[in-house]
Amino acid sequence: NAGVTQTPKFQVLKTGQSMTLQCAQDMNHEYMSWYRQDPGMGLRLIHYSVGAGITDQGEVPNGYNVSRSTTEDFPLRLLSAAPSQTSVYFCASSESGNTDTQYFGPGTRLTVL
Amino acid sequence: AQSVTQLGSHVSVSEGALVLLRCNYSSSVPPYLFWYVQYPNQGLQLLLKYTSAATLVKGINGFEAEFKKSETSFHLTKPSAHMSDAAEYFCAVKRAGGTSYGKLTFGQGTILTVHP
Repeated sequence: NAGVTQTPKFQVLKTGQSMTLQCAQDMNHEYMSWYRQDPGMGLRLIHYSVGAGITDQGEVPNGYNVSRSTTEDFPLRLLSAAPSQTSVYFCASSESGNTDTQYFGPGTRLTVL
Repeated sequence: AQSVTQLGSHVSVSEGALVLLRCNYSSSVPPYLFWYVQYPNQGLQLLLKYTSAATLVKGINGFEAEFKKSETSFHLTKPSAHMSDAAEYFCAVKRAGGTSYGKLTFGQGTILTVHP
């Protein structure tokens, strides 16, 4: 049981490049979400999904796309990277999303030059 | 909408001393409240959560927190700090019920340093 896995762990992009951050969970959780963590700002919700085929925007969705074709996977796409997207990205999952514990992946540290 | 304020971005204590990390929340409806810990270069791990049962909540590693509605607070405490408690701690809130699902709102984080 690997929990929540994220790849890559580190990534450097140039402004304007696109890329996909991968997230997978093997706990059969319905709810998955993406956060970004910036110093002094805690974690902010980017997008979330309450099940396969259903996604919605969080607090800071601009510049990011998501899709959820399977229960296990929830990739985050950066369409045209900007220096403001330099951050640490965390994926999380939970069984139902209400009072259930959210389990976090180890994070992806992204730098946009 | 809900929000969380953590008082003090850095807290330093001596080993064996009381740990007190402060969290105040704002929510127009009854909240669920969480404390997470993040060790260096790792993801977040749940310490404890309040979901409208007992107001004093016990978590892992000897931590506990008390929900005080009148003070809109959910402070985290541990009677005796250990070197291994050094980490960053996040308080988070979500709206109970409804369609808020797992949408957590996090505080800014408090870095705990423990001195020998």
